[in-house]
Amino acid sequence: TQLLEQSPQFLSIQEGENLTVYCNSSSVFSSLQWYRQEPGEGPVLLVTVVTGGEVKKLKRLTFQFGDARKDSSLHITAAQTGDTGLYLCARRSTLGRLYFGRGTQLTVWP
Amino acid sequence: GAVVSQHPSRVICKSGTSVKIECRSLDFQATTMFWYRQFPKQSLMLMATSNEGSKATYEQGVEKDKFLINHASLTLSTLTVTSAHPEDSSFYICSARGGTGEVYGYTFGSGTRLTVV
Repeated sequence: TQLLEQSPQFLSIQEGENLTVYCNSSSVFSSLQWYRQEPGEGPVLLVTVVTGGEVKKLKRLTFQFGDARKDSSLHITAAQTGDTGLYLCARRSTLGRLYFGRGTQLTVWP
Repeated sequence: GAVVSQHPSRVICKSGTSVKIECRSLDFQATTMFWYRQFPKQSLMLMATSNEGSKATYEQGVEKDKFLINHASLTLSTLTVTSAHPEDSSFYICSARGGTGEVYGYTFGSGTRLTVV
């Protein structure tokens, strides 16, 4: 199975710090997506990465897709309390179904 | 932007009863919708793919007679948890492809917290 491994599972940092979360697999993907979910809500799409080596920026968030398209990372610069949430990577199957990694629960303290 | 509306947001039911959850795409048509289940502190697990006008496709290990899915129109899919038991208590989320502006984007509902007592 094409499993997505996310790390770390939990991350607790102070406001202003930088952080990186990882999404790894042994399989090659045509694309990967990153979502953010707040408690009691559905996930919200942050970005889709498609090309190996691609880097996308969304304000303080930087997403990278590995050259071999097997892994991806999300880097947050100068974290804010509003960044707190569950960050999920997901892959889309050939049938269009979306499968998620275990997620990284980020808590940013003031 | 596009919205997927999910109702109810919370429901408490007695063991043995059935509960229906609705998922509507408000301003776009969704020939395919997806149902997920999420336990506390865990990720979303895909349960089934809901196809408009045809039978749903269930993931391995998901009981199709337990979780009935109906997708009668291009904007509405329903999930019915039949003969609910406490172990069915969970957060159920639907999604539809499209509505995000991205080719591969999926829009999610806000989820339904089911508690079976």
